[in-house]
Formats: sequence, C-alpha cells, structure tokens
Amino acid sequence: GQNIDQPTEMTATEGAIVQINCTYQTSGFNGLFWYQQHAGEAPTFLSYNVLDGLEEKGRFSSFLSRSKGYSYLLLKELQMKDSASYLCAALDSNYQLIWGAGTKLIIKP
Amino acid sequence: GAVVSQHPSWVICKSGTSVKIECRSLDFQATTMFWYRQFPKQSLMLMATSNEGSKATYEQGVEKDKFLINHASLTLSTLTVTSAHPEDSSFYICSARDDRGSGPQHFGDGTRLSIL
Repeated sequence: GQNIDQPTEMTATEGAIVQINCTYQTSGFNGLFWYQQHAGEAPTFLSYNVLDGLEEKGRFSSFLSRSKGYSYLLLKELQMKDSASYLCAALDSNYQLIWGAGTKLIIKP
Repeated sequence: GAVVSQHPSWVICKSGTSVKIECRSLDFQATTMFWYRQFPKQSLMLMATSNEGSKATYEQGVEKDKFLINHASLTLSTLTVTSAHPEDSSFYICSARDDRGSGPQHFGDGTRLSIL
C-alpha cells in the first residue's frame, strides 16, 4: 500500500531551527511536496523535490533521499507566524498526490 | 503565479438544500482537478478526482450521487453537495494541476460549508 509518515506535532522556540521529517512508500515516485496550512485556511505550496539533495528557499529548505524514501523540511529563524500544519505529499506513478496527515508545528516565544 | 479561484468562501444554509461550489484555474488549463474535505483538526481527505470531459473518480466511501462533480471545461470544475445535512458541514477545498507539467497542485482558498 501507499503510505506517508510524519510526526503529528512538534514544538520549537522562536528564532530556532526545526526539522520536520517525512517518510514515504508509494507505487512509483514523481516527486515530493511540502505544503503549509494555517488553521482554517487552504494549503499553500512550499517546495517540490524530485531529485536527491537539498533545495533552499529563504528560511525554508527541503531535502530528499529517493533511495531511503525520506524527506525533511527545515525551517530556520522561526517566527511565530510559522505556527501551522506542514503537509508532506508524494506524487505516485499515476501523478496522484498521496498525503501525509500533517505535522502541527507550535512555536513558543 | 498560478491561481485557483474557489467560490463561495462561506455557505450557511438549511438542511435539505443543495450547494454548488466552483473551482476555477485562472491562468492555466487543468484537465485534472481535485476535491478535498477537511474536518476540524483533521488532515485533508481526497474526495474525488475531477477529469475534464469524463466522469469523476471517487474515493472509497464517498457517495457520487451525494457529491456531484462536473468538469465541463479545462478551467472549471464544480462540486454540488445535494440535499445537504448537518453532517456534511466541513471545509471543502479544490486544487488543480497545471496541464503543462508535474508541478504542484494549486489550491483554492476553500469553502466553509455550514448546514443548519
């Protein structure tokens, strides 16, 4: 079966760094996405990795290892507004998105 | 950037009413659009995949006669919740994938549906 695993909840301190991990098992693989979702709002796109390695975009970076079926989202210089759920999703061989349940990130002052 | 417009944002109506939600891709063509439902503090749940010019593909447990999907053009998909009841109250979100590549799905802002 197809499966995405990510932690349910994480807590971090304002100004710090946090890494949210995601492991996936899919029928075929065409890339991995990270989305941010604030409470009561629709998800917004953060990053897309299809090749192994690290993609950096400002304070956010995303890493992919296809051989390990593993990705992480790294958030630096955390701000209170980063409190949200972070969704990991893998694109399978049919180009269908398989969603993780999301990681709720709580930022404390 | 790519924009998906979803309308309406909020709907409050009486039990038994049918409600139509529109999802439009504004600056790209989308043969495939997706409809999700999300209950409070829960993850996104894919309801159905909408395909332009053909029948939608529904996920297991989603009633196709209850949730009617029409994808009449490359930029518009509609979801109609027929004879809505309080248990249908939820946050409904559509997304669309640009036909030009395997890039991200772009989400609409969602529709919050409350059935009294």
